[in-house]
Amino acid sequence: EVQLEESGGGLVKPGGSLRLSCAASGFTFRSYTMNWVRQAPGKGLEWVSSISSSGTYIYYADSVKGRFTISRDNAKNSLYLQMNSLRAEDTAVYYCARDLRGAVAGRGYWYFDLWGRGTLVTVSS
Amino acid sequence: SSELTQDPAVSVALGQTVRITCQGDSLRSYYASWYQQKPGQAPVLVIYGKNNRPSGIPDRFSGSSSGNTASLTITGAQAEDEADYYCNSRDSSGNHPVFGGGTKLTVL
Repeated sequence: EVQLEESGGGLVKPGGSLRLSCAASGFTFRSYTMNWVRQAPGKGLEWVSSISSSGTYIYYADSVKGRFTISRDNAKNSLYLQMNSLRAEDTAVYYCARDLRGAVAGRGYWYFDLWGRGTLVTVSS
Repeated sequence: SSELTQDPAVSVALGQTVRITCQGDSLRSYYASWYQQKPGQAPVLVIYGKNNRPSGIPDRFSGSSSGNTASLTITGAQAEDEADYYCNSRDSSGNHPVFGGGTKLTVL
């Protein structure tokens, strides 16, 4: 079965750190760009970070740049998010998501076709 | 604030047609994708590209685009379509994904 499964969430104090993991199965993980997307309680979806298939290209949302680090281990079919200097506003469900892209008549499109069930990160004293 | 703008809430009578819209400058250059999210669940892709449905998504879901506006249309809305819907595309630089704020669909 094609799936993603996040782990590593929990309760952490402001200023603390946490490492999230995402285990992929059922597909060729090393062929896909992967992302972290989060959702604060009662709020909408927010893209956090992406990493290309080989790990060469990495991008972050401004809200986490300098504090979060995305990485992957293609041998272990795993995606990671190291979160440092956590703030209350980082409280959210964190999803890992697979990224696909294409183009029609020169017009591009991107989409997240596979999502995990998410892991909850709560930053509170 | 999001670079993609959605109406916060829309309602539709059972069996009727509803259109959910998403506006943003980047939509002139990139197609949007659409996600359905029910309470306590992960988002599910329903439309991507010009008007493509993943396997398992009913054909009552369709997508379209005009100018800076992308639309998700549900033709013959069902009770199980009640959910939050999010559009997604690129930001104005084209470098990063961005989501709309979401539309809560109520089926009456």
